[in-house]
Amino acid sequence: KAGVTQTPRYLIKTRGQQVTLSCSPISGHRSVSWYQQTPGQGLQFLFEYFSETQRNKGNFPGRFSGRQFSNSRSEMNVSTLELGDSALYLCASSPEGTSSYNEQFFGPGTRLTVL
Amino acid sequence: AQSVTQLGSHVSVSEGALVLLRCNYSSSVPPYLFWYVQYPNQGLQLLLKYTSAATLVKGINGFEAEFKKSETSFHLTKPSAHMSDAAEYFCAVSDGGRGSTLGRLYFGRGTQLTVWP
Repeated sequence: KAGVTQTPRYLIKTRGQQVTLSCSPISGHRSVSWYQQTPGQGLQFLFEYFSETQRNKGNFPGRFSGRQFSNSRSEMNVSTLELGDSALYLCASSPEGTSSYNEQFFGPGTRLTVL
Repeated sequence: AQSVTQLGSHVSVSEGALVLLRCNYSSSVPPYLFWYVQYPNQGLQLLLKYTSAATLVKGINGFEAEFKKSETSFHLTKPSAHMSDAAEYFCAVSDGGRGSTLGRLYFGRGTQLTVWP
């Protein structure tokens, strides 16, 4: 099976712009989670989607949003970018009927740089 | 709420030496615990997971971890380090308890492992 794919891998934006990141989970996986990784804050949970519904949400401002499509692919959007949004954004997928013990399979991430 | 503390942001060992990376957790429910590894410019790869089946968990690449409830620890070990083990290692605890469908992971701050020849 192909792994989790994320596009684009690298992105450069300027403050005030918006950005959309895409994630394709492993075939058959219905849960998709997003994490932000920065040197200062480490790995932080953004949100989780399951069957097109947001099931869990982290402590991020409303500028961060996401959605999931019927084929389980997910996108996250960040509006009005700030310098502090520069980070590696990781997407992870879990198998159908996911429970807490199911490991999450991570993609390679999208490196976002905000200038 | 769940949380993870990794003691030591940097660990250096010689090739062939024992690797010990420390992880302590806090969880309001019986935890599910994970160790992930991250190589430069890559995502996270699962090394092993604890789901209550056995306290000593064996993972990939010769790594193992022991769950100690009394010490709330889940330390990662490898008997003999290899140059290819140089990477950043993350301990994580899952949100929710048994039967929960919450998949959120709480990560520690990571431990950078350096292996000297």
